[in-house]
Amino acid sequence: SQQGEEDPQALSIQEGENATMNCSYKTSINNLQWYRQNSGRGLVHLILIRSNEREKHSGRLRVTLDTSKKSSSLLITASRAADTASYFCAPAVETSGSRLTFGEGTQLTVNP
Amino acid sequence: EPEVTQTPSHQVTQMGQEVILRCVPISNHLYFYWYRQILGQKVEFLVSFYNNEISEKSEIFDDQFSVERPDGSNFTLKIRSTKLEDSAMYFCASSEMWSGGDGYTFGSGTRLTVV
Repeated sequence: SQQGEEDPQALSIQEGENATMNCSYKTSINNLQWYRQNSGRGLVHLILIRSNEREKHSGRLRVTLDTSKKSSSLLITASRAADTASYFCAPAVETSGSRLTFGEGTQLTVNP
Repeated sequence: EPEVTQTPSHQVTQMGQEVILRCVPISNHLYFYWYRQILGQKVEFLVSFYNNEISEKSEIFDDQFSVERPDGSNFTLKIRSTKLEDSAMYFCASSEMWSGGDGYTFGSGTRLTVV
């Protein structure tokens, strides 16, 4: 298993602005997943990008993956107050075990 | 949309007592997980379960923990003799594929308070 490291640790923006969060990891992966956690709640799967993909979109979310730099970014466009949450990346290597390991995350605050 | 259901949502127990946390994973998922989150800390992996046996466990998952799939729908986590430091949110998750090939689905969690 391996853990992604999210950056920045905290991000505060105004409603309507875009939010970009970054993730770095250390070894080769099969896919990388992004999750959101509202305070005290379970994690919610947002989007998965496979190692042979460079970019993926889902609604207001855009994820990029650069396997040469071992990094990924999550862009939330036109943010809303309801996007306030912690965001986590989880690199997955399908041959190295079943667990996903979560880091400290990026705490996003969207101010109305 | 299919959900992972956890019960109870909140449990208070005396130190030394046994607790069983219950989960109903998504019906066509094959891989099941337990995670925990101590207040203010990271979400930590406890155990994964596939084909009626543990496939991986963390250092946290010691002899006082056990998991079971007693029937075709439930997945349980038992803590034999609870300690104060077991107080945490416990999350169950399930996935269709290995390493959450299409993503994990998490339940809303059980808040365990050991007093």
